[in-house]
Amino acid sequence: RKEVEQDPGPFNVPEGATVAFNCTYSNSASQSFFWYRQDCRKEPKLLMSVYSSGNEDGRFTAQLNRASQYISLLIRDSKLSDSATYLCVVNLNTGGFKTIFGAGTRLFVKA
Amino acid sequence: NAGVTQTPKFRVLKTGQSMTLLCAQDMNHEYMYWYRQDPGMGLRLIHYSVGEGTTAKGEVPDGYNVSRLKKQNFLLGLESAAPSQTSVYFCASSYSPSSGRGNEQFFGPGTRLTVL
Repeated sequence: RKEVEQDPGPFNVPEGATVAFNCTYSNSASQSFFWYRQDCRKEPKLLMSVYSSGNEDGRFTAQLNRASQYISLLIRDSKLSDSATYLCVVNLNTGGFKTIFGAGTRLFVKA
Repeated sequence: NAGVTQTPKFRVLKTGQSMTLLCAQDMNHEYMYWYRQDPGMGLRLIHYSVGEGTTAKGEVPDGYNVSRLKKQNFLLGLESAAPSQTSVYFCASSYSPSSGRGNEQFFGPGTRLTVL
């Protein structure tokens, strides 16, 4: 089982749609959580950190459920510019620092 | 600020050749990382460094060596390139997770390496 698993993609949605991505992690020692965005042939960039209380940034909402070891990202009112790959990222600190990236979920937003 | 820069951007090697990838950051970050990204595999950590003069193995260290002689630079070496090392290589840097300044990783633009 992969340490961080994401929804298989790609997701194809029309402009204005709401889309949700899910991510599960296997190590209960996971300490911090992030969503990164990666455009085609570009480097990953931080989209948002994920906090236990949930957090929102404009059209984006991230949620964390530690009991179920589950992270989600909700995008409302999708824009063409949201088309990208979304990476779920988990940091562990189990005597040594470790960052684990999910394989990513590809999103296509169409006009 | 340039952020994280990588050189070269592209490289083609023949099997058995050696090369060094250079990463530089101007954000005074303590931690630096080298990843490789392959289709369907996500980013995998090769080596990382928690400070000048220290390095540690990541998930896929075999066939690679690293050095961090200066805080701002992190070098990745391939001593004898193999076709399995064809990939996109990303360098990243961050503050220490215990610094209280967040541990977001900032990535360089990547190096596309092909080994024939």
